[in-house]
Amino acid sequence: QGQLVESGGGVVQPGGSLRLSCAASRFTFRSYGMHWVRQAPGKGLEWVAFIRDDGSEIFYTDSVKGRFTISRDNSKNTLSLQMSSLRPEDTAIYYCGTSYGSSRYFIDWGRGTRVTVSS
Amino acid sequence: EIVMTQSPATLSVSPGERATLSCRASQGVFGNLAWYQQKPGQAPRLLIYATSTRATGIPARFSGSGYGTEFTLTISSLQSEDFAVYYCQQYHDWPPLTFGGGTKVEIK
Repeated sequence: QGQLVESGGGVVQPGGSLRLSCAASRFTFRSYGMHWVRQAPGKGLEWVAFIRDDGSEIFYTDSVKGRFTISRDNSKNTLSLQMSSLRPEDTAIYYCGTSYGSSRYFIDWGRGTRVTVSS
Repeated sequence: EIVMTQSPATLSVSPGERATLSCRASQGVFGNLAWYQQKPGQAPRLLIYATSTRATGIPARFSGSGYGTEFTLTISSLQSEDFAVYYCQQYHDWPPLTFGGGTKVEIK
């Protein structure tokens, strides 16, 4: 089973930026699609972004398009999420997760990193 | 966007009893449905994918069924470690990938 460890969360003012990272181990990172999923306090799960195993395909949920950028470095087994123009409604725990092949369910999850957008 | 609706929001069950959780899709997703379990302070865990296939290490008391727009997760005999929130997720038509709002299974 793969291991995923997120980092980079914190408190940021509205309009600010933050970069999240997800370090992957114990599986062949370059063979898996990667996602970011978030969970606002006391709420359910919301898919945020996806990047294909080779980086050739990227998708975002509408609310983050133009503000968030997902990327990966297969040589370093690392996934990133660059977040800018942050809003209070972006406050959440951000999880990275894996999917394989053409099936987009989440096989493994990290423990998450907390992002708080507040003045 | 496919909207996923779970019911009930909360299910009160005694240990050893059967729990039945429902998930409805706003349009057909064929068999492209997954279930997750989330305990307080923890990340979600994949339980079932492709409607009825248990993920690695998931006990046989968890089973999934359904097709199209109606799906069910059944826990045949609830154990203490099964009290948690359960989410369904469709991956047929995306982006976006969408989750249901969750069902909390609590001790009766």
